[in-house]
Amino acid sequence: DTGVSQNPRHKITKRGQNVTFRCDPISEHNRLYWYRQTLGQGPEFLTYFQNEAQLEKSRLLSDRFSAERPKGSFSTLEIQRTEQGDSAMYLCASSTPRRGTEQFFGPGTRLTVL
Amino acid sequence: ELKVEQNPLFLSMQEGKNYTIYCNYSTTSDRLYWYRQDPGKSLESLFVLLSNGAVKQEGRLMASLDTKARLSTLHITAAVHDLSATYFCAVDWGSTLGRLYFGRGTQLTVWP
Repeated sequence: DTGVSQNPRHKITKRGQNVTFRCDPISEHNRLYWYRQTLGQGPEFLTYFQNEAQLEKSRLLSDRFSAERPKGSFSTLEIQRTEQGDSAMYLCASSTPRRGTEQFFGPGTRLTVL
Repeated sequence: ELKVEQNPLFLSMQEGKNYTIYCNYSTTSDRLYWYRQDPGKSLESLFVLLSNGAVKQEGRLMASLDTKARLSTLHITAAVHDLSATYFCAVDWGSTLGRLYFGRGTQLTVWP
C-alpha cells in the first residue's frame, strides 16, 4: 500500500496557459476524489469518480476544468486558460468500500498562476 | 448546503495543558472525520466517527461525536509540541460515496 501519489508537486504557470495534474490512487481503491484548498481554508470538493465514471461535479468546477479517469485507475485534472484565482493546492484522495468512506489523501499539487 | 464550523480557528497553548476543539455542522449526519495537516503537507486521517456517541482515542487526542447536537469534539490532553498542526473536521452528508464537507480548520500551536 504505497499511498496516493500526485504529480507534479508544484506547478507555476502564466495566466491563460493550460495545466494538467495527475493522481494515482491507492491500488484497488475504486473511488477517487479531487479537492481544492486555498490558504486558510479547508479543502473544497471538486469531483469524484467511481471506477471510470464521474458521478458528481461541484459548482466550483467551471467549464475550464475537466477531470478524467479513463481506465478506472489514475485520474487527470486539467485546467484550461488558467486564472490567478485558480492558484491553490489541488488534493486527490481515494477510498475503497472495504474501508467505508474514509478517504486517503495524496500530497497535493500546488498551483501558482502568475 | 452543509455548513461545517470549527472553533477556535487559532489555538495557542502551553505544553502540558488541555483543550477542546469544537466542530458543529448544520445538517444531520452520522459520519464525521478528523484530519491533521502539517504546513505544506497533505491531510492525515486521525479519526473516523460513524455513529452517535462514538468516541475514539489515539495518544493525547480523543474525538467524540454527538449526532443529535450535530457536534464533534477533539480533546487534547497534556499537549506537546509535536501536536502543533492544523486540524480539520469533515462531514460526509447526502452521498453514499463520501463527498466530504470540511471546516476551516483549527491551527494549533503548542509552545514550551
